[in-house]
Amino acid sequence: EIVMTQSPATLSVSPGERATLSCRASQSVSRNLAWYQLKPGQAPRLLIYGASTRAAGLPARFSGSGSGTEFTLTINSLQSDDFAIYYCQQYNNWPPFTFGQGTKLEIK
Amino acid sequence: QVQLVESGGGLVKPGGSLRLSCAASGFTFSDYYMSWIRQAPGEGLEWVSYISSGGSNIYYADSVKGRFTISRDNAKNSLYLQMNSLRADDTAVYYCARGLDSGYDGRLGYWGQGTLVTVSS
Repeated sequence: EIVMTQSPATLSVSPGERATLSCRASQSVSRNLAWYQLKPGQAPRLLIYGASTRAAGLPARFSGSGSGTEFTLTINSLQSDDFAIYYCQQYNNWPPFTFGQGTKLEIK
Repeated sequence: QVQLVESGGGLVKPGGSLRLSCAASGFTFSDYYMSWIRQAPGEGLEWVSYISSGGSNIYYADSVKGRFTISRDNAKNSLYLQMNSLRADDTAVYYCARGLDSGYDGRLGYWGQGTLVTVSS
């Protein structure tokens, strides 16, 4: 089973600034990596797949990069609606899908 | 538009059973693999199970194998999760999810809002 490790666990950033979230895989997942956003009481939302492809309707200030074992989600010009928990997920070797433990993005 | 609506959650005693349902609409349900994913309180996401479009391929996380059964009724556009021998650590919000594309697709593009299962005496 591929283990996904996210860092940091909590990230405090001011609105308008940039947030950089990291995700590491225990073995190569090629570019088969997705990012999700979770907010309380809402359905999880797919943000990025294929490591860097934005889901339909996602603002361009969200970007993903990386391949192999190291991945990054960058959110520019943070808005109040962006403060949430973010998860990475590999779908290169499944089952099982595996998720990271999440990064909580909070307002500084 | 694609809609997934879970139901069937609630409070159950340890060792008890519960059956979750997921009603799908807005797409050809029989074309898509479907998954159940859960999130325990204060924890991250954990994939639980998936089922192929026709129901012939099924996989489970080790944590639920032998206790949970996934199934689907394509005529009713519905996905199910029968949960037996429930334990306290099964307490979680359970989501059903669909891939972006039909067939074998690990990109979970559509999710329901979830249903809460609480296992407690």
